[in-house]
Amino acid sequence: KQEVTQIPAALSVPEGENLVLNCSFTDSAIYNLQWFRQDPGKGLTSLLLIQSSQREQTSGRLNASLDKSSGRSTLYIAASQPGDSATYLCAVVGYGGSQGNLIFGKGTKLSVKP
Amino acid sequence: DAGVTQSPTHLIKTRGQQVTLRCSPISGHKSVSWYQQVLGQGPQFIFQYYEKEERGRGNFPDRFSARQFPNYSSELNVNALLLGDSALYLCASSLDGSPRWEQYFGPGTRLTVT
Repeated sequence: KQEVTQIPAALSVPEGENLVLNCSFTDSAIYNLQWFRQDPGKGLTSLLLIQSSQREQTSGRLNASLDKSSGRSTLYIAASQPGDSATYLCAVVGYGGSQGNLIFGKGTKLSVKP
Repeated sequence: DAGVTQSPTHLIKTRGQQVTLRCSPISGHKSVSWYQQVLGQGPQFIFQYYEKEERGRGNFPDRFSARQFPNYSSELNVNALLLGDSALYLCASSLDGSPRWEQYFGPGTRLTVT
């Protein structure tokens, strides 16, 4: 059974710092991995999608990497800003079961202090 | 273009009652999935629908049911509500439900059961 873990559960950094959020998954048989942002009480905003054949994806100050063989992904945020404060969730789509359903970690709650 | 829309935004129900939540996918998307997110956890998969047919079901009791209409909108029904059903219910849409495609989430419906 696929399990997704995110470390740390919470992170507080001063504005301007570069930071890395970690995601690990137990079964490497995945179609893709997706990173989301969630503001308190709100829905999920898709940040980056990495297909299983890809190693990384970039969007603005965000860079996500995928190492399928080791079951790990990282989300790198450059020059963090207070507006980046939110919970970041990673999710994988695995083989078998209901294709297309995302399996989520519990998220990392990021706080960027001015 | 409008994103995924959900209604209502908030809902308060009493134990034992029934509730219906609604979702409209992004224009052109034919697959809708439902997720339940309890406080402090990542979303959990409930159902996936494509072309009005159920494609997958998560580990939820039969009190949960859903359907998809010819215009690809969807309803999630929950009968005999329990306190533990209190959660944020999220709807996601994708092109055809294939695991290749990115999933886009709506703002969610906050259900409180008292």
